[in-house]
Amino acid sequence: EAGVTQFPSHSVIEKGQTVTLRCDPISGHDNLYWYRRVMGKEIKFLLHFVKESKQDESGMPNNRFLAERTGGTYSTLKVQPAELEDSGVYFCASSQDPGGMLDTQYFGPGTRLTVL
Amino acid sequence: QKEVEQNSGPLSVPEGAIASLNCTYSDRGSQSFFWYRQYSGKSPELIMFIYSNGDKEDGRFTAQLNKASQYVSLLIRDSQPSDSATYLCAVGIGFGNEKLTFGTGTRLTIIP
Repeated sequence: EAGVTQFPSHSVIEKGQTVTLRCDPISGHDNLYWYRRVMGKEIKFLLHFVKESKQDESGMPNNRFLAERTGGTYSTLKVQPAELEDSGVYFCASSQDPGGMLDTQYFGPGTRLTVL
Repeated sequence: QKEVEQNSGPLSVPEGAIASLNCTYSDRGSQSFFWYRQYSGKSPELIMFIYSNGDKEDGRFTAQLNKASQYVSLLIRDSQPSDSATYLCAVGIGFGNEKLTFGTGTRLTIIP
């Protein structure tokens, strides 16, 4: 079974440009999460989808970030316009079943974003 | 005070010895606790989770949870060079299907 995949693996853009990151969760996983790790800091939660609905977006830093999950399958995270402090590794994770006692989150390889 | 605290290391352990990794958390309402292993440049990989006080063993790994002390640990027995990685402690308010709060990770090096 394929794991969580993310595209691109690396992105280098200039300040003010737009970047869109994509995440494909494990097939059948209704829960999809975005996290971010900036250099030297811990991985921090951004938001959580259940199917196509935003369950929790309390970690989104500001309105320059827009996440979507049309159709409840893959998700995109757009940063527009990008700022220097947006640089970091963006991880996507998915889990299978809301409310299950044994839910665990499986992480993708991440997208390394560098804003110059 | 950070929500989840780990000693950043590096922690060096001889091959074959026991590696002990520690984590404390601040939210008493936390219910689920996870240990992820991350090799450099790779995705975090779940190796253990625990929900109840006490010990949970899986092969060479043992997770220990003490909710009264707000403390969770990971023991790795018979450490191997392939165990060299960063170990991330993550805490959830519920049972895994909501946001996780991570520590900064402990870098572990197993010395052959």
